[in-house]
Amino acid sequence: DTGVSQDPRHKITKRGQNVTFRCDPISEHNRLYWYRQTLGQGPEFLTYFQNEAQLEKSRLLSDRFSAERPKGSFSTLEIQRTEQGDSAMYLCASSGSGTLSTDTQYFGPGTRLTVL
Amino acid sequence: AQSVTQLGSHVSVSEGALVLLRCNYSSSVPPYLFWYVQYPNQGLQLLLKYTSAATLVKGINGFEAEFKKSETSFHLTKPSAHMSDAAEYFCAVTEGTGGFKTIFGAGTRLFVKA
Repeated sequence: DTGVSQDPRHKITKRGQNVTFRCDPISEHNRLYWYRQTLGQGPEFLTYFQNEAQLEKSRLLSDRFSAERPKGSFSTLEIQRTEQGDSAMYLCASSGSGTLSTDTQYFGPGTRLTVL
Repeated sequence: AQSVTQLGSHVSVSEGALVLLRCNYSSSVPPYLFWYVQYPNQGLQLLLKYTSAATLVKGINGFEAEFKKSETSFHLTKPSAHMSDAAEYFCAVTEGTGGFKTIFGAGTRLFVKA
């Protein structure tokens, strides 16, 4: 068990550029979550996948945001036409295949995005 | 809609003193409740969770929390603070009916004085 990994750890981009983040969950986990955390706030739910299916999306996830998990393993989160308000820490978490929402979510270290 | 309120964005205690971090929730269905800790430059780590079994939940590092339905609270306590407990603590709630969307509170930063 190597834990949840995220790449890159830091990303600096200019306003209007597109960025893509990657998350590799714990290998046997079939649920994967994306959160956004801004300074002084708790993580905000963005979306989650069960295997390759995206089952829930927050209204925070505007049409500039898209997430995929094509083979039910790693996931990518893309932000198009970045805005300064997108600057935040993007967190990924994964959990096991239990049927209850009590499954422990294991978090990655996050990707810190800075939009200039 | 579910929500979580953490009272006090900053809490300061002396080493050896009681730690009390407050969390109140709002949920239209029976909730599942969690406490996470975030150390500087590290990912969130689960401390403990309430899943409708025992109302007093014991977690790692000597922390525990009690679910009080009548007060809609899930406060986190530790009898004796240690310097290593200094971190950010988040209370979170998910629907107890199978939903996986997790709502986090704004967090409470714990400072431990020597």
